[in-house]
Amino acid sequence: DIVMTQSPDSLAVSLGERATINCKSSQSVLYSSNNKNYLAWYQQKPRQPPKLLIYWASTRESGVPDRFSGSGSGTDFTLTISSLQSEDVAVYYCQQYYTTPHFGPGTRVDIK
Amino acid sequence: QVQLQESGPGLLKPSETLSLTCTVSGYSISNNYFWGWIRQPPGKGLEWIGNIHHSGSTYYNPSLKSRVTISVDTSKNQFSLKLSSVTASDTAVYHCARQPAGFYDSTGYFPYYFDSWGQGTLVTVSS
Repeated sequence: DIVMTQSPDSLAVSLGERATINCKSSQSVLYSSNNKNYLAWYQQKPRQPPKLLIYWASTRESGVPDRFSGSGSGTDFTLTISSLQSEDVAVYYCQQYYTTPHFGPGTRVDIK
Repeated sequence: QVQLQESGPGLLKPSETLSLTCTVSGYSISNNYFWGWIRQPPGKGLEWIGNIHHSGSTYYNPSLKSRVTISVDTSKNQFSLKLSSVTASDTAVYHCARQPAGFYDSTGYFPYYFDSWGQGTLVTVSS
């Protein structure tokens, strides 16, 4: 199994400031044959299902604001919210799909 | 636009079998996607349960595999989850979701990320 960890557990950021969430996999999720990282990011607001934000580590899902970006490769990944808005308050999860899916424990983002 | 809706009993007793159905609308379940189940205990994180492709290919979480069966009914555009011998630790919100699929010579059809989710249904196990 490839296990995912995230840091920090939670963070509080001022409106308009940058928020950065880190995700680490216990093994590489980069598939050499196609040079793709099998890593996705989700946003979950209270009483809602998770929403896909990013897949293939850096491809933004249709309709997701461009203030959300994903980066990284191999075992280390980052989700960045470039200018935090009030509607971005949520829990964010990373997930690997290189093997049977495993989600990270989540990072809670709040307004400072 | 695809929509997924979970249905099934919300309260079970220990040792009973959990049975949930996900009805898919706006998209054919026979297209090249996997259809999966994920659960979330109250206040906790996400746990993948398993998924199925209309071709019959299935993947299960190894920690639940002995108790899980996922099936698909293409005529009704539905897929279902059965989880046997439930205990209080199976109390969770159960979501169904769609996964795009790739094809690899080594594995056949292979599921990717979860791009559409149902709202989820709370299943409580209590005596």
